[in-house]
Amino acid sequence: KAGVTQTPRYLIKTRGQQVTLSCSPISGHRSVSWYQQTPGQGLQFLFEYFSETQRNKGNFPGRFSGRQFSNSRSEMNVSTLELGDSALYLCASGPTGTNQDTQYFGPGTRLTVL
Amino acid sequence: QQQVKQSPQSLIVQKGGISIINCAYENTAFDYFPWYQQFPGKGPALLIAIRPDVSEKKEGRFTISFNKSAKQFSLHIMDSQPGDSATYFCAASRSNQFYFGTGTSLTVIP
Repeated sequence: KAGVTQTPRYLIKTRGQQVTLSCSPISGHRSVSWYQQTPGQGLQFLFEYFSETQRNKGNFPGRFSGRQFSNSRSEMNVSTLELGDSALYLCASGPTGTNQDTQYFGPGTRLTVL
Repeated sequence: QQQVKQSPQSLIVQKGGISIINCAYENTAFDYFPWYQQFPGKGPALLIAIRPDVSEKKEGRFTISFNKSAKQFSLHIMDSQPGDSATYFCAASRSNQFYFGTGTSLTVIP
C-alpha cells in the first residue's frame, strides 16, 4: 500500500502571497490531519478532516484553512504569507478517524517564506 | 501553551546504553499516548503507544512507562544503537486531536 504523499515537497514564496499544499492519504483512510513543524515549537496541530468535514481545529489564525475532497485527498491553504509561516507542513492520515488511531505521516512540504 | 512538555531537548548515549526521554501533560482527558520517531527528511513514524489503564508497555527494546497520578510518561530505549539516532516525539490525544512534545534529538555514539 502506498504511503501518505504530499506535494510539492519544497516551496518558496514571498510575504503576502498565498500557497496551497496537497495531501493524498493512504488508500482507505478517511481522516486527514495537518501539522506545522518548526524547530522551536515542534509539531503544532492545525486541523483534522474526516469525511469532508473539519472535525478539529488547532489554535492557528484564519489565514490557515483546509478542505477535504470526497476521495479523502486534502488541501491546506495559507493566505497572506508571513515570514513566521516558514516551516515543514506535515499531513497525517488515519484509517478510522477514531481516537487512538495510528497517525501515518507523509514526508512533509517544506515551505520557505522570503 | 504547550499541552505536552518533553525533556531533554537533546540526548547523547553510548552504544549499548539506555536512552530515557520524559514527557508530562496536564489535561486528564488525554487517553492515548504515542511516541513517534523521525529521521531527517522523513515524517514521524509511530514507535509505540500506551493507554492510561496500563503502567508499562514493552515492544522489543522500547518501553513506555506511564504514571497516571503524576501525569508523566517516558520512553526507555534499551541497548541503544547508532541506528536509533533520530528525533523522538511524545504525544497525547483526545478525540483524535493530537498534541506533541517539542522533540528530543537522540544521538547514539558507536
